[in-house]
Amino acid sequence: SQQGEEDPQALSIQEGENATMNCSYKTSINNLQWYRQNSGRGLVHLILIRSNEREKHSGRLRVTLDTSKKSSSLLITASRAADTASYFCATDATGFQKLVFGTGTRLLVSP
Amino acid sequence: EPEVTQTPSHQVTQMGQEVILRCVPISNHLYFYWYRQILGQKVEFLVSFYNNEISEKSEIFDDQFSVERPDGSNFTLKIRSTKLEDSAMYFCASSGGTSATTGELFFGEGSRLTVL
Repeated sequence: SQQGEEDPQALSIQEGENATMNCSYKTSINNLQWYRQNSGRGLVHLILIRSNEREKHSGRLRVTLDTSKKSSSLLITASRAADTASYFCATDATGFQKLVFGTGTRLLVSP
Repeated sequence: EPEVTQTPSHQVTQMGQEVILRCVPISNHLYFYWYRQILGQKVEFLVSFYNNEISEKSEIFDDQFSVERPDGSNFTLKIRSTKLEDSAMYFCASSGGTSATTGELFFGEGSRLTVL
């Protein structure tokens, strides 16, 4: 698989449920970032986790990083319909923000 | 809240024509980027720009592409002779100030380029 593969490709849940998305990558990284993209819109930065960090929280978001397994997960707790979007992980190998994006997970949150 | 703005939002052009996509990064940012997303595919890095020169470019960014910061506010991407496969959404991004240390990129809404 290529650098930055998310799974699942699509996720459909009800409001109030938690959503977990996973990302796997192949090369060593300086940091890993998660972005959100509403359909046809720009990318919005959600959270960044550095290679020496294992877990990070921001509001309803929780990101974990396991560098030994080259994987990361994004958890959105208590999801809302407004969370409906595509979510991408992006790896930064050097810290100079040449990001390698994954394939994305399309999240649908139904009211 | 400061934002990155891009124009045009959509451009349709004939194959072989030159296209210039424009971006106004966030005013105190120092690092500028172009990424593109072909429909249904991954977002791909094209080029980064700092201190009036290219810092890094990808294999996609061949001689047909160029970037310029013609004044203190605009950052442009030029495609000299467009090909069908250049059809994509092109995203400008900037970082700098505190975001340079956080690693956060601020993306614009994108310019959709359709080459016929």
